[in-house]
Amino acid sequence: GEDVEQSLFLSVREGDSSVINCTYTDSSSTYLYWYKQEPGAGLQLLTYIFSNMDMKQDQRLTVLLNKKDKHLSLRIADTQTGDSAIYFCAEKGGDKIIFGKGTRLHILP
Amino acid sequence: NAGVMQNPRHLVRRRGQEARLRCSPMKGHSHVYWYRQLPEEGLKFMVYLQKENIIDESGMPKERFSAEFPKEGPSILRIQQVVRGDSAAYFCASSPPRTRAMETQYFGPGTRLLVL
Repeated sequence: GEDVEQSLFLSVREGDSSVINCTYTDSSSTYLYWYKQEPGAGLQLLTYIFSNMDMKQDQRLTVLLNKKDKHLSLRIADTQTGDSAIYFCAEKGGDKIIFGKGTRLHILP
Repeated sequence: NAGVMQNPRHLVRRRGQEARLRCSPMKGHSHVYWYRQLPEEGLKFMVYLQKENIIDESGMPKERFSAEFPKEGPSILRIQQVVRGDSAAYFCASSPPRTRAMETQYFGPGTRLLVL
């Protein structure tokens, strides 16, 4: 079945890099996404990667895709207090998007 | 260009009442999706609609829940005889007509339903 797994919590010191990991099960997924959700807010699409790519960089964000291991990661360089949020890994499964439970990123001073 | 709009943002209902959640997709978008987020959980797909058609309702509970996307006006998610377990955030997303461009869904701010 379709499933997306990610760790629930991550604590990082301000200025360090954050790495959030995710595994998925549907090898036919064409797109993989990272969404950010701040408290009480909706979902903001941070970045996405097409399944025939293995890396994508966008300013402070780097996405790595290991299709063989079905592993996706999001690296946030120079983590700031404004990066504190829940980060959802998601895959495109047919017409719907399948989400992980989210990783809560906590920034330490 | 306004994003996906949902109203109300917060809704309180007593057990047994009806809840109506509205979603206006982004301009030019003809596909609407509804997701539910239970506390401390990720989003779960409920239903995918195009104008006047339900395309995929595999995530909808079999009873009390219905969705529509009429020719004119917003998409409506309707929950009849609400129970406490229906308390959640309900997100709507929209996407443009099928193209070969990036296929992604743009999310609204959500409606937070609380059932007392």
